[in-house]
Amino acid sequence: GAGVSQSPRYKVAKRGQDVALRCDPISGHVSLFWYQQALGQGPEFLTYFQNEAQLDKSGLPSDRFFAERPEGSVSTLKIQRTQQEDSAVYLCASSLSPLSREKLFFGSGTQLSVL
Amino acid sequence: GNSVTQMEGPVTLSEEAFLTINCTYTATGYPSLFWYVQYPGEGLQLLLKATKADDKGSNKGFEATYRKETTSFHLEKGSVQVSDSAVYFCALGSGGYNKLIFGAGTRLAVHP
Repeated sequence: GAGVSQSPRYKVAKRGQDVALRCDPISGHVSLFWYQQALGQGPEFLTYFQNEAQLDKSGLPSDRFFAERPEGSVSTLKIQRTQQEDSAVYLCASSLSPLSREKLFFGSGTQLSVL
Repeated sequence: GNSVTQMEGPVTLSEEAFLTINCTYTATGYPSLFWYVQYPGEGLQLLLKATKADDKGSNKGFEATYRKETTSFHLEKGSVQVSDSAVYFCALGSGGYNKLIFGAGTRLAVHP
């Protein structure tokens, strides 16, 4: 596709519900990141994939958060038993390779509101 | 650990004014430094970057110089336009796969 696509654009969940957020990176991009952006804050790193391998999940805030990228393209971020503090914009980003010179492309994000 | 601190906003300027948004960092090793911009309703976009000390990144009239001695990467523009109104994020990249650590963001509002 032309860019990184995320769906849904908006998600409202009742506290305790499970949610799944989807990311379609640019075709052929090896690196994929998930970030969480709270209102008025900068994005915070959640997890990193290189192809299908999850190499870093140090930013996942709890074991309720789970991410996968089974075929090395589309990725899903799943949040179980959502809490109000999970309300944020979830950003996905991809790049052609892990090298620092490669440009990182961000999606428009999924805005999650937990009521 | 690594961190980024940038000046709080909002910054409000008149068109054609000079812009400076301060950014300082704490890091081990030699990170790459970035400025990202988020226009209303759009995703984050890379504005400019610098990968080593004394490098100057520039784009669309914006500039920032990687100053290792002061651990800074301040963003400047000589003459801002209304269309520059956005939120600006300073970030550093480290590790083998360039994981980004962002500052809190600075909102810029430019008035005609």
